[in-house]
Amino acid sequence: QLRLQESGPGLVKPSETLSLTCTVSGGSIFSSNYYWGWIRQPPGKGLEYIGNIYYRGSTSYNPSLKSRVTISVDTSKDRFSLRLSSVTAADTAVYYCAREKPRYCSTTNCYNYYFDSWGQGALVSVSS
Amino acid sequence: QSVLTQPPSVSGAPGQRVTISCTGSSSNIGAGHDVHWYQQLPGAAPKLLIFGNSNRPSGVPDRFSGSKSGTSASLAITGLQAEDEADYYCQSYDSSLSASKVFGTGTKVTVL
Repeated sequence: QLRLQESGPGLVKPSETLSLTCTVSGGSIFSSNYYWGWIRQPPGKGLEYIGNIYYRGSTSYNPSLKSRVTISVDTSKDRFSLRLSSVTAADTAVYYCAREKPRYCSTTNCYNYYFDSWGQGALVSVSS
Repeated sequence: QSVLTQPPSVSGAPGQRVTISCTGSSSNIGAGHDVHWYQQLPGAAPKLLIFGNSNRPSGVPDRFSGSKSGTSASLAITGLQAEDEADYYCQSYDSSLSASKVFGTGTKVTVL
């Protein structure tokens, strides 16, 4: 059974860079058509999509965060990472990693991705 | 600010049927993009409940059903149980200038 596990510092200072890693087990990150994504949830609030990465390294980011986000992949260790720069208190949230699965694929593209497997989440607080 | 709007809360007695709406626009649900639903129990990560508008993953009870029409989608829970008390989120894709996957605002289901 696929398992995702987030790891990283639980406290980051304002203006610094938040870094988290998601380790995939029970499956491979080398999965065709699947993407690997990050979602966050501020305390008491809803879910916000951050972005994703394909095992070959192509990325897609939420335009509202794009200028500060970098997602990378380490296929040798079946893990992918999130970096969010210039953080403020508004970036305090539980950060989830998840696998993105397509609803269907044509010969050239895949469509209607959804999150079929989630990590347990990692709370990151931004405070001095 | 989410582009998918859900009611903040719905409630029902055990055994009753409740529905949660997810209202979008012509750039997301109305553009033909699928709607997916997630259940988030207190203190837990979200869990996939419905994918592709109306499909249940293995293990999800058939008390949960989804539908989509026009620019909106709905999640129905029949035979409401105490264990269904949770937050529920819809999710789709928005193909406007800010193209990205988007979540609904979330709905808290309370079992009376």
